[in-house]
Amino acid sequence: EAQVTQNPRYLITVTGKKLTVTCSQNMNHEYMSWYRQDPGLGLRQIYYSMNVEVTDKGDVPEGYKVSRKEKRNFPLILESPSPNQTSLYFCASSPDAGTEAFFGQGTRLTVV
Amino acid sequence: EDQVTQSPEALRLQEGESSSLNCSYTVSGLRGLFWYRQDPGKGPEFLFTLYSAGEEKEKERLKATLTKKESFLHITAPKPEDSATYLCAVQGYQGGKLIFGQGTELSVKP
Repeated sequence: EAQVTQNPRYLITVTGKKLTVTCSQNMNHEYMSWYRQDPGLGLRQIYYSMNVEVTDKGDVPEGYKVSRKEKRNFPLILESPSPNQTSLYFCASSPDAGTEAFFGQGTRLTVV
Repeated sequence: EDQVTQSPEALRLQEGESSSLNCSYTVSGLRGLFWYRQDPGKGPEFLFTLYSAGEEKEKERLKATLTKKESFLHITAPKPEDSATYLCAVQGYQGGKLIFGQGTELSVKP
């Protein structure tokens, strides 16, 4: 089954404790991206990658890191999480830029 | 700067009452305009991609149209199961950023 898989689905952590949210797609897509969704602010892009080893900042990259060492995986790293990073996070992949995106199930992160 | 504005923020309809959602955008060279549906707590689900002014696409009770400045999502004779948040997004040719609007929350009452 074609899908984008994020893990974990839910995470509660403490300020400053490094964490990684994984994202994997099995559709051989070139384009992958991360978003956060907050009430009243909508869906905002954090980082995107148009190909392996190519990543670029979205609208809200501060406090996040990503890497794209292989086509299928695009992990999101929070090196020192803070409470303002509490949010619902989505990973997505597309065959290419300008094509439809397939979203993961979401990761609800709480930083206390 | 690329920007997307959706209106209204919320829309309540009676079953069978047709209406339209608006997505106004500014982008330097449109690569694509996208419509998604999102149910509470779930990831957005793709509906349509539009690439050039004048283009139209249909799927069941939904029809999306595109001009150089805005897109409309027309909902004909909606049913309660059409209740969801509808998101519009644009991507320009400069870079690969995808910009989303804040969405329109649609509620259809039986």
